[in-house]
This record gives sequence, C-alpha cells and structure tokens, in this order.
Amino acid sequence: DAGVTQSPTHLIKTRGQQVTLRCSPKSGHDTVSWYQQALGQGPQFIFQYYEEEERQRGNFPDRFSGHQFPNYSSELNVNALLLGDSALYLCASSLVSADGYTFGSGTRLTVV
Amino acid sequence: DAKTTQPTSMDCAEGRAANLPCNHSTISGNEYVYWYRQIHSQGPQYIIHGLKNNETNEMASLIITEDRKSSTLILPHATLRDTAVYYCIVRVSYSGNTPLVFGKGTRLSVIA
Repeated sequence: DAGVTQSPTHLIKTRGQQVTLRCSPKSGHDTVSWYQQALGQGPQFIFQYYEEEERQRGNFPDRFSGHQFPNYSSELNVNALLLGDSALYLCASSLVSADGYTFGSGTRLTVV
Repeated sequence: DAKTTQPTSMDCAEGRAANLPCNHSTISGNEYVYWYRQIHSQGPQYIIHGLKNNETNEMASLIITEDRKSSTLILPHATLRDTAVYYCIVRVSYSGNTPLVFGKGTRLSVIA
C-alpha cells in the first residue's frame, strides 16, 4: 500500500521564479494538506484541499496556491519566489471522515 | 500558534526509558493530545493520542495528568532509531480535516 508520494524530492529555483510541487495521497484518502517547514522549526499549515476545493488556509500570502485533481492528487504552486520560501514542503493526506494523517517525505526547495 | 510547551532537547541512553514532557495548560475539554515524531529527512509520523485516560500502543505510552494540563510520552526502551524531533499537539477534532498545529518540538537524542 503506497503511502504519500511527493515530487520532486529536491528543487533549486531563482528568486522571482514560480514553482509547482506535486503530491499523490495515500490510497483511500480524500483530503490533502500542505505544510511548510523552515530549518529548525515545526511544520506550518499552508492549506487543505477536499473535493477539489481549498477548505482551510493558514497564514500564508496568496502567492501560495494549490489545486486538487479528481484522483485526489494535489499541487502546490508558489509564485514570485523569495529567499524566505526556502524550506521543506510536506504533503499530508487524510480521510475527512476519520482521524489520521499520513505525511510524505517532502520536497526540499532552495531559492537562490 | 501552538498551544503546547516542550523542552528544546533531551538525551536518553539506549535501552532506557525516554520520558518526554509536554505542558498544555489551556487545553479545552474536547481537545485531544497527540504526539508525532519526525526522523531526519522524513515527514512527521503519528505515535499516539489520548483525551484523558492513559494510552498505550506498540510504540509508546501516553500519560495525561488528571487535570489534563500536562502529559508525558514514554518510549519504554529507547533505541538509536528513536532519535527524532517529538511534537506534542493539542487538537480539537477527531477527524481528518482539522489541521495539525506544530510547535518546535523536543529533539530527542538516544545515545549508545
């Protein structure tokens, strides 16, 4: 049973560019959440998608956007990259009707 | 913001019990205490959760004080593979659409 798959694992972008990160949820899960983890900090909630709509959002600017597809996979898009966007981006999937989050291993984004 | 307070770091000898404390003095009656851990270069992993009774599973035990203002995660026989950052999280809903709010956690180092 595949867990949460994220791609790519590592990425280097230049300030001002745009980036797209991808996530395939655990089989049977219908909800995808995205988190940003800066070095030495705990993960911070960005937003959550269910039924192809953004349902909840953390304290992140609208440069951060996302999408969920009919097969429940999801993308995180970040526009106009800043140096401060360098972080580990984690995807977590869950089932809206039950408890339990499964996290992927993340995408390490470096902005130079 | 996280509603929990944890020590920044702790050491534990291999084979001994690791006791990780967490303060959550403002916890509400319907909030659960969750513990996750994050091994280096991986996403967070669920360990255990509880409401007011002590809980035990194959990974750990959770002891919650009677007033529910603090708790302790116990790893009964720590191994080198238990070296990780441990997060104590207070969460209101038992469902897959309530985001996890992480603090900085406790960095546990298990020493041979």
